[in-house]
Parts: sequence; C-alpha cells; structure tokens
Amino acid sequence: DTGVSQDPRHKITKRGQNVTFRCDPISEHNRLYWYRQTLGQGPEFLTYFQNEAQLEKSRLLSDRFSAERPKGSFSTLEIQRTEQGDSAMYLCASSSPRPWGTQYFGPGTRLLVL
Amino acid sequence: GESVGLHLPTLSVQEGDNSIINCAYSNSASDYFIWYKQESGKGPQFIIDIRSNMDKRQGQRVTVLLNKTVKHLSLQIAATQPGDSAVYFCAENFGTGFQKLVFGTGTRLLVSP
Repeated sequence: DTGVSQDPRHKITKRGQNVTFRCDPISEHNRLYWYRQTLGQGPEFLTYFQNEAQLEKSRLLSDRFSAERPKGSFSTLEIQRTEQGDSAMYLCASSSPRPWGTQYFGPGTRLLVL
Repeated sequence: GESVGLHLPTLSVQEGDNSIINCAYSNSASDYFIWYKQESGKGPQFIIDIRSNMDKRQGQRVTVLLNKTVKHLSLQIAATQPGDSAVYFCAENFGTGFQKLVFGTGTRLLVSP
C-alpha cells in the first residue's frame, strides 16, 4: 500500500499523559498536513509542513501541541498533558509539490482521553 | 469568518437514483474546492475537485458544479449505489501558496437497495 499511513490507529490515555502520533506520507509528497476531526464535524486544519519546514500553524495548536518533520519524510504530532477536550480523530494528509496537488488523507489516529 | 456549510445534513436515496449534495461556501476569494467522501472509521477520500476558473467538472459518475455568483457548490452522483453511503464534505482553500482547507460539517448520504 503506497497511501498515507498513520500509527497508532487508536490511542486511549489518561488525562495528563503525553501522547505521540506518527504519519508517513506518500513517498514523493513533500507537503504534509495535520488536521483534527471531532464527531460529526469536518476536519480542522492544524499545521502544514513543506519538506522539514513547518510553515503554518493554526491557533487551534496550543502550546501543548508540537509537530515535527525532521527529515522531510515522516512527521510526528505530540500532545503534552492531554485533556479530555483533546479527544478526537487526528488526520494526516500529504500532497505533491504541484500548486493544486490533491491532499490525500491517512486513516487517522483516534484519541480518547479519559 | 471561515466557514463552509451544507444545506442538508442527511440525504436518503434509493439505489439507482441520482444524488445531489449541496454546499455553501463563505470566502469569495477561495480559488479551489474539493469534495471528499468519508466512511465510518476511515480518513476522507478524494472524490473530485474544481478550480474557481471553472463552473463544471465531471468524473466517473460524479459531477461538481460551482456557482461563484451565489457561492454555491454541488456534487452530483449518478446512479447512486449502496457503496456510495458515507459522509460527504466539501472544502474550500483558504491558503496562499499552499492548500489550507476549510471543511464543512458534512452531509450523510444513505442509499437504500
């Protein structure tokens, strides 16, 4: 399978714990995006990487959230001191360098904070 | 503010019917629009896109229509099949130099055999 992959697919954690999610984009895609989706809503943009550079961050991305893409390939999203309100599906997407390159989404990581 | 909305939260059709899912967008400067399909427990799946310099684009069994005058987008699915049952999202691009997609809340399409 050469699509976007995410790991883990599901994560249950206790409030206050740290969690880290991984995204592996389609291999030739240099653009990578993170979104958050809550039940019944559309995905909300969190952040964007072009190669290893994080070029845009939403105000939804509080100080407890950090994203990296150290070698311009896979990316990680870490949430520190999780809160119940962080419970959501975290989606990763990637696109080619073309200006109108379609964003292809991974299956998501569903986070439940107890 | 930034918003993309849908008129109908749920659409129920019979197999073989044509389906039309509507979407109103808010940003008259948006230059790119996409329709995604999302099945339960999965990530959004690309269906079709359209740029603002077009008013119609056709794919396999799907057509997207763009009316910039009234900021309206629609997705037409021909000969709807049970496998088309899912939530459909429209999204518009708020980004400059990259795609910053703003999604609506979605329309659930239910196809009865």
